[in-house]
Amino acid sequence: KQEVTQIPAALSVPEGENLVLNCSFTDSAIYNLQWFRQDPGKGLTSLLLIQSSQREQTSGRLNASLDKSSGRSTLYIAASQPGDSATYLCAVPHILTGGGNKLTFGTGTQLKVEL
Amino acid sequence: NAGVTQTPKFQVLKTGQSMTLQCAQDMNHNSMYWYRQDPGMGLRLIYYSASEGTTDKGEVPNGYNVSRLNKREFSLRLESAAPSQTSVYFCASSVYDTNYGYTFGSGTRLTVV
Repeated sequence: KQEVTQIPAALSVPEGENLVLNCSFTDSAIYNLQWFRQDPGKGLTSLLLIQSSQREQTSGRLNASLDKSSGRSTLYIAASQPGDSATYLCAVPHILTGGGNKLTFGTGTQLKVEL
Repeated sequence: NAGVTQTPKFQVLKTGQSMTLQCAQDMNHNSMYWYRQDPGMGLRLIYYSASEGTTDKGEVPNGYNVSRLNKREFSLRLESAAPSQTSVYFCASSVYDTNYGYTFGSGTRLTVV
């Protein structure tokens, strides 16, 4: 059974810092890994989707890397801003009987960027 | 804007009442899902529909039913609400294969008293 863990559980940084969020998974036979952001009381917003054949994926100040063999992904946020404060979740898909795929989510990292 | 739309956003029910949560997507996705999110439990899959005309149970289906009305719409019904069903419910959709990731709705916050 796939298990996904995120470290740290919570992180507080001053504005402007570069930071790294970690995601690890136990079964390396993944198709891709998706990073989401969730603001308090809100839904999940997809940030980056990195395919199993890719090593990195970038969007603006965000960069996600994937190392399947070691079961790890990192989300790098450059020049953090207070608007980046949110919970960040990583997730990997599992193919379901009959099609579709279920996401197994990490435990989340709650990020606070302070002025 | 294209995406997944859920209604209602908030709902309070009394124990034993029934209700239907509505979900629609306009991205021409084949697969749709219902998850619930609870503190300390993360997101858990309730039911899914891999393609139009099919539905299957997920991890926590008890107390729920679903209907895939057409390719766009996937509803979740609570026949007799219980306090244990107090949660935030998310609808999501994806293309049939895994290459394109998931899109989530904004959620329904349900309280059963």
